[in-house]
Amino acid sequence: AQSVTQPDIHITVSEGASLELRCNYSYGATPYLFWYVQSPGQGLQLLLKYFSGDTLVQGIKGFEAEFKRSQSSFNLRKPSVHWSDAAEYFCAVGAGTSYDKVIFGPGTSLSVIP
Amino acid sequence: SAVISQKPSRDICQRGTSLTIQCQVDSQVTMMFWYRQQPGQSLTLIATANQGSEATYESGFVIDKFPISRPNLTFSTLTVSNMSPEDSSIYLCSVEATGELFFGEGSRLTVL
Repeated sequence: AQSVTQPDIHITVSEGASLELRCNYSYGATPYLFWYVQSPGQGLQLLLKYFSGDTLVQGIKGFEAEFKRSQSSFNLRKPSVHWSDAAEYFCAVGAGTSYDKVIFGPGTSLSVIP
Repeated sequence: SAVISQKPSRDICQRGTSLTIQCQVDSQVTMMFWYRQQPGQSLTLIATANQGSEATYESGFVIDKFPISRPNLTFSTLTVSNMSPEDSSIYLCSVEATGELFFGEGSRLTVL
């Protein structure tokens, strides 16, 4: 079975600073990988996903993530954070070739200082 | 894409009662998923519901506690039975469409 960890429970960054949120997964084959954002009182929104191909994936809102098989990681990055990026970020991993059993990490809470 | 509507959006329930959450999708989908998000926690998959077959439950979740119906390709219900305060959570319906998992806004249940 697959699993995912997010080592950072909470991160605070200044507006305009760069951001990296860490995600490590465990799965025996090539996984499906996702980053979702959950803003206060809002539903979940997909930022980006990786299935195969280019290991650097571009997403919405200026986010990108890099799949590193050797490190079992899928870290999320943004070069310049905006105050509206304050939210909960979830890394998720799916198994096989479908969305069956997509497992979510514990989440990282992002605070942005003006 | 897929637009998901969940009802109720929130409810306050008494211990020992049951509540049924409805999930309506604006397109036909094969697989629907039910997740639970306990306060301050991540999402945990409860079960996968395919139309025309019994739901598949994840470890720690049983049909007697969380019966699921999937009568057609656009609708599903999740019942939380014999509720206790530990069932206070957000319950989310999710579907796969156009290569993406879409989520409803969730149903926030508080059990007193």
